[in-house]
Amino acid sequence: RKEVEQDPGPFNVPEGATVAFNCTYSNSASQSFFWYRQDCRKEPKLLMSVYSSGNEDGRFTAQLNRASQYISLLIRDSKLSDSATYLCVVNRMNTGFQKLVFGTGTRLLVSP
Amino acid sequence: EPEVTQTPSHQVTQMGQEVILRCVPISNHLYFYWYRQILGQKVEFLVSFYNNEISEKSEIFDDQFSVERPDGSNFTLKIRSTKLEDSAMYFCASRSGRGDYEQYFGPGTRLTVT
Repeated sequence: RKEVEQDPGPFNVPEGATVAFNCTYSNSASQSFFWYRQDCRKEPKLLMSVYSSGNEDGRFTAQLNRASQYISLLIRDSKLSDSATYLCVVNRMNTGFQKLVFGTGTRLLVSP
Repeated sequence: EPEVTQTPSHQVTQMGQEVILRCVPISNHLYFYWYRQILGQKVEFLVSFYNNEISEKSEIFDDQFSVERPDGSNFTLKIRSTKLEDSAMYFCASRSGRGDYEQYFGPGTRLTVT
């Protein structure tokens, strides 16, 4: 079983739509969680950290359910510029040092 | 806004040659990382570096790989004898280590081994 699983998509949505991505992780020792955004052939860029209480940053809302080992990202009022691959990332600690474990990403295409 | 920089942006090399990929992490960050992404695949952890030594490495990071922080600003990844399967994007990342866990990535070096 993959350590971080995401639906690869693509999700094709019109501008203005609301879209949600889900992610599950298998290692209960994972300690912190992130959504990164990656444009084609570019580096991953941190979109937001994900907290158990849920957090919001403008049009983006992230949720974490530790009991179900489930992370979500909601994008409201989609813009053309939101088209990208969204990476679910967990931070796994081992011997006191962390490393990021990436999902394969969910591709979003926002059309006019 | 401070950012991670990497050079070169694209490196083409022949199989068996040595390559050195260079990174300048964000100033005052304490933790440094290398990741790679083979075209069409997910980002994979290679190695983490703290206090001038490797703190963790993956199975990918075999004896052909090494990392170094030769001075106060640069962080390098060396591949001693490149193989075709080393062709990938190599991303450097850094983290402040002062109460947060966010890692910030450089723009990457595209390595092509022919």
